[in-house]
Amino acid sequence: KAGVTQTPRYLIKTRGQQVTLSCSPISGHRSVSWYQQTPGQGLQFLFEYFSETQRNKGNFPGRFSGRQFSNSRSEMNVSTLELGDSALYLCASSWTGGNTEAFFGQGTRLTVV
Amino acid sequence: ELKVEQNPLFLSMQEGKNYTIYCNYSTTSDRLYWYRQDPGKSLESLFVLLSNGAVKQEGRLMASLDTKARLSTLHITAAVHDLSATYFCAVGLNFGNEKLTFGTGTRLTIIP
Repeated sequence: KAGVTQTPRYLIKTRGQQVTLSCSPISGHRSVSWYQQTPGQGLQFLFEYFSETQRNKGNFPGRFSGRQFSNSRSEMNVSTLELGDSALYLCASSWTGGNTEAFFGQGTRLTVV
Repeated sequence: ELKVEQNPLFLSMQEGKNYTIYCNYSTTSDRLYWYRQDPGKSLESLFVLLSNGAVKQEGRLMASLDTKARLSTLHITAAVHDLSATYFCAVGLNFGNEKLTFGTGTRLTIIP
């Protein structure tokens, strides 16, 4: 059974650019969540999508957005990149059943220069 | 707002010793998770604890949950070098809300 797949694994972008990250969940999972991990702030929740709808949102500026497609794949977009956006971005998929367990992808390491 | 505190932040221990990592959280919760992260890698799920008094064990690791005290522990028995990693606890509020609030992590180093 394939795990959670994130692409690309590494990205280098310049300040002011925008970036799109992709996440393919485990087959059958309908919920995809995104997290940002930095040394200073730790792991912080960005947002969660379920059945193509954003269900929960963390405390990030509007430059951070996402969407989910009908096959449950999700994309996250960051516009007008800032140096502080450099981080490991992790997505997690879960079934959202009774004993929901979140499985994480390998992450995308974004460096903004 | 849910807050999750882990301690210690850093733990250096000798092989063969036992130790415990603590995870306190501020709000009643349905579920608590423990994850392991190796440097530069993603999060590996270790345990899911869903009820008061839940105890799960895998190898040298054992996790427990006390929802009344809002406390979970991760106990390491007879540590070996392979257990060196950062361990996170994460708390979810209710089913259907997938947001997890993570603790700060405990960086565990096992010294031969």
